[in-house]
Amino acid sequence: EADIYQTPRYLVIGTGKKITLECSQTMGHDKMYWYQQDPGMELHLIHYSYGVNSTEKGDLSSESTVSRIRTEHFPLTLESARPSHTSQYLCASSWGKEGYTFGSGTRLTVV
Amino acid sequence: QKEVEQDPGPLSVPEGAIVSLNCTYSNSAFQYFMWYRQYSRKGPELLMYTYSSGNKEDGRFTAQVDKSSKYISLFIRDSQPSDSATYLCAMSAAGTYKYIFGTGTRLKVLA
Repeated sequence: EADIYQTPRYLVIGTGKKITLECSQTMGHDKMYWYQQDPGMELHLIHYSYGVNSTEKGDLSSESTVSRIRTEHFPLTLESARPSHTSQYLCASSWGKEGYTFGSGTRLTVV
Repeated sequence: QKEVEQDPGPLSVPEGAIVSLNCTYSNSAFQYFMWYRQYSRKGPELLMYTYSSGNKEDGRFTAQVDKSSKYISLFIRDSQPSDSATYLCAMSAAGTYKYIFGTGTRLKVLA
């Protein structure tokens, strides 16, 4: 079954730790995205990729980094987590303009 | 001013009611419009995709786009308690695969 998977679903971590949020999709989509979502706020694009070895920063400034070594995999890394990084992170993928498929999200809490 | 404005609600309606959800936007370059449904603790799920102006119907859902007024709507007929969720609008211009999202409207359908 074609889908997009995010792990972990929930993560509580201490300040200063390095973390990687995983995102994989089985649909063969060439475009992938990371969004940040806070309660009552719109989704903010933080990174996107239009193909292997192609990554761009989104509209919202973020201290995270991403990589796209394989079509299906688009991990997001925070080198040193801070409480201000507490949020929900949503990964999505698409083929064209006809909408994104989203993962279930990772809810990150930095204490 | 935000590019996409959406009333956050909450909007409470009785079961069986017709629900109207709306978004306004300021960028006349937007041509691609989407509606997503997001249940609590889940990722957004694509409901409707529309290109340019006009209406599109899918089961109990109808999407309308009025580009002259920069206004889009999602109608839900015969609403059910299972429709209780947050509904997000999203829009995009030609030449980009990035979408701008609204803040979402929280809908509660009361049994």
